[in-house]
Amino acid sequence: GAVVSQHPSWVICKSGTSVKIECRSLDFQATTMFWYRQFPKQSLMLMATSNEGSKATYEQGVEKDKFLINHASLTLSTLTVTSAHPEDSSFYICSATAQGETQYFGPGTRLLVL
Amino acid sequence: AQSVTQLGSHVSVSEGALVLLRCNYSSSVPPYLFWYVQYPNQGLQLLLKYTTGATLVKGINGFEAEFKKSETSFHLTKPSAHMSDAAEYFCAVSETTSGTYKYIFGTGTRLKVLA
Repeated sequence: GAVVSQHPSWVICKSGTSVKIECRSLDFQATTMFWYRQFPKQSLMLMATSNEGSKATYEQGVEKDKFLINHASLTLSTLTVTSAHPEDSSFYICSATAQGETQYFGPGTRLLVL
Repeated sequence: AQSVTQLGSHVSVSEGALVLLRCNYSSSVPPYLFWYVQYPNQGLQLLLKYTTGATLVKGINGFEAEFKKSETSFHLTKPSAHMSDAAEYFCAVSETTSGTYKYIFGTGTRLKVLA
């Protein structure tokens, strides 16, 4: 139980384009989803917290207009990287929780912006 | 704000040897504590967690951790390392903000298992 998927697992795009990453909880309803960014050989940095049906809460220093987060249902959250640039290249990981303290993580999405 | 310290960014052990990965947190209130493992290019898998109750927590793959309030520690151990244990390990504490449990991660410890 508590499986979280992400799609795509990797994506390469041209600079200036937008990329959407999906995060789904497959066997539970996720009241809260989290989006993290991880640089090579570093820890996870929380970008934002999203609750179903409400606006995401972004961490300090994360551009809201750059990283659009939508949590339209209890099983799906999306992260859209708008007008991507090479510095946005990273490993993006989502997690989900169902009214509890434990987060279940997706497998991650590797984004490469050329 | 809470913080998590993982001593030793790299730890090497021989196969069959004891694994000890250290984690200390800063909090005046006992937090919820977690250990996750990350294999290359993958997400994080929950190894074990402490919320309340017994301070010695057993997890998957033979790992266990002990919550020591007096030392503000939650060190991860495994009696006998296996080659498949080679991975990155993250300790995390959770703090609540308006009912939402957010994680604060340590910087991670890369475990290498030598044949």
